[in-house]
Amino acid sequence: SAVISQKPSRDICQRGTSLTIQCQVDSQVTMMFWYRQQPGQSLTLIATANQGSEATYESGFVIDKFPISRPNLTFSTLTVSNMSPEDSSIYLCSVERSRQGDTQYFGPGTRLTVL
Amino acid sequence: SQQGEEDPQALSIQEGENATMNCSYKTSINNLQWYRQNSGRGLVHLILIRSNEREKHSGRLRVTLDTSKKSSSLLITASRAADTASYFCATTSGSARQLTFGSGTQLTVLP
Repeated sequence: SAVISQKPSRDICQRGTSLTIQCQVDSQVTMMFWYRQQPGQSLTLIATANQGSEATYESGFVIDKFPISRPNLTFSTLTVSNMSPEDSSIYLCSVERSRQGDTQYFGPGTRLTVL
Repeated sequence: SQQGEEDPQALSIQEGENATMNCSYKTSINNLQWYRQNSGRGLVHLILIRSNEREKHSGRLRVTLDTSKKSSSLLITASRAADTASYFCATTSGSARQLTFGSGTQLTVLP
């Protein structure tokens, strides 16, 4: 398995502000993913973060709203910009461990509430 | 977008009973993975089944895959109150590495 940590674990933010979520993995991984889980819903992919290149965003998600950094093979950040109450969700990062097939492991998530 | 649906959306059983959850998907897949999520926390990986496999076991878990029907099932035997959680299936397809999730089943095991 993979040991993945996220910071912060939760936060309550004001409308119009931004929050940066950190994801740290215990070993080097090629691909990291960011997902959003809105209240009572399933997970939706925001973007794929590869080291050394720009993140690839899914339809409905844009870089200006969700800028992503991937400075090395063990770390990534997701920023939720200019937040509104609709951004209240759990944000999760995940990594793929190719030596264990295509198994993906998830971090504990960041629960964001926007007032 | 969601790959497919899971049913039932919610399932309530007594401790000791078996729980079966079903997952349907829309496109050809490389593999299908099942996850558990407790109370809106992180996802715990349960089991992965590849498209050329039909059944896998892990402890009290049994997963089947029917690619002709584009469906999978997760069976939890001898359920415990600690199994209470949301269960999600997720697939990968083609060259894409990201997961596409089903809608999830909320399982409640009553003591």
